[in-house]
Amino acid sequence: KNEVEQSPQNLTAQEGEFITINCSYSVGISALHWLQQHPGGGIVSLFMLSSGKKKHGRLIATINIQEKHSSLHITASHPRDSAVYICAVGNSGGSNYKLTFGKGTLLTVNP
Amino acid sequence: DAGVIQSPRHEVTEMGQEVTLRCKPISGHNSLFWYRQTMMRGLELLIYFNNNVPIDDSGMPEDRFSAKMPNASFSTLKIQPSEPRDSAVYFCASSSTGFGQPQHFGDGTRLSIL
Repeated sequence: KNEVEQSPQNLTAQEGEFITINCSYSVGISALHWLQQHPGGGIVSLFMLSSGKKKHGRLIATINIQEKHSSLHITASHPRDSAVYICAVGNSGGSNYKLTFGKGTLLTVNP
Repeated sequence: DAGVIQSPRHEVTEMGQEVTLRCKPISGHNSLFWYRQTMMRGLELLIYFNNNVPIDDSGMPEDRFSAKMPNASFSTLKIQPSEPRDSAVYFCASSSTGFGQPQHFGDGTRLSIL
C-alpha cells in the first residue's frame, strides 16, 4: 500500500507570498494528482502529472519520479487560494484508478 | 456543463435508520467512484464502477453499506442500519475511462448519524 505524506500540515502566508506544498510517496505510481478543497467542501482536480512540470495560471506542479516527490507551488498568493490542498497517487499496474490520498495541507492566505 | 450532482447535500438522521445517498455523474463519463472523508482517515475509496459494473468494492466498510449503479446516469450508496461512526462527508466522482483522466467530484453529502 502506498503511503502519501504531505508537508506542511498547516501553512499561513501573507498575500503575495510564494507558497510551496510538498508530497512524498513510498512506492511507484502511475500518476500523481493535486486536488483543492475549499471551505464549502467541494473538491476540484488541479493537476494530474506523471513526469516533469505542469502550469496553470499561478499554480505550478512538479514531480520527481526518482525521488518519489512532488511539489505544488502558488505564485503571488491571494486570500482566495485559502483551501485544503490534497495530494493523491494512482497505483501503477492494473488498479491505476485507485487513488491513495494524503491528509491534506490547510493553506490560509491573509490579506 | 453540469458537474457531478449529489443529493442530499446534508443528512441528519438517527442511528438505525436507512440512509440513501444519490449521485448523477457527468454525462459520457463511464467511471464512477464513491469516497468517504473523515478527519481521522481523510479520503478513502469505497467503491468503483466502470460501465455501471462494480469493479472494486474492497473499500466498503461492511455489509451495512451497499452501492448500485442501475444505469449510466445514476448511482446510490445505501447504509442500513446507520451508526454514528458512519458520520462523514461522502463524495461521488466520475471520469472518462483511460489513463490520465481526471476525476470530477460532486459537492459531497455531509452525513450526521445521531
